[in-house]
Amino acid sequence: DGGITQSPKYLFRKEGQNVTLSCEQNLNHDAMYWYRQDPGQGLRLIYYSQIVNDFQKGDIAEGYSVSREKKESFPLTVTSAQKNPTAFYLCASSIVGGKTNYGYTFGSGTRLTVV
Amino acid sequence: GNSVTQMEGPVTLSEEAFLTINCTYTATGYPSLFWYVQYPGEGLQLLLKATKADDKGSNKGFEATYRKETTSFHLEKGSVQVSDSAVYFCALLTSNTGKLIFGQGTTLQVKP
Repeated sequence: DGGITQSPKYLFRKEGQNVTLSCEQNLNHDAMYWYRQDPGQGLRLIYYSQIVNDFQKGDIAEGYSVSREKKESFPLTVTSAQKNPTAFYLCASSIVGGKTNYGYTFGSGTRLTVV
Repeated sequence: GNSVTQMEGPVTLSEEAFLTINCTYTATGYPSLFWYVQYPGEGLQLLLKATKADDKGSNKGFEATYRKETTSFHLEKGSVQVSDSAVYFCALLTSNTGKLIFGQGTTLQVKP
């Protein structure tokens, strides 16, 4: 079955470390997205990519970086510049090109904790 | 700009009660509208959707009707179960931006 796989499910980071969260999809979707969710709050867009080798900043990109070298993969790196990285991170994908009927498909999330 | 407003939670109901979660939107053009559900510790799952005015989306006993005249997409269920306890997100998507805009989410707690 097609879907989005995020790994790991839980991740612990020490102060000053960079960590990379994996997101892979086999839905043949063009666009991929990263969201951050804090307890009791909604989703905030970090980065998104609508085509390979191109990506744009979302609302809270500072302290994060991404790459899109393959259509299937959109890894997110949480750098040491992100001062409050503890959160639940969600990856999503979608069809592009004006097709709004399908919405986004989400992964199951990665919970990152700074120790 | 485009935006979605949901009623604040938490919403606490007894099992078999009637559920309404209000959602209103502001958008240019003709958006598609969605309800997503998030169970504890999990990602978001698409619950239902409607792509044009007067469409009714339905799934698992939940329903929502796309009302263009009131710019609303309220979620309803006639008889909730404990297993419906989750966070519900209303969202819209327009072809001119391609970005899904979420409401802030509403937590539903159903007690036996």
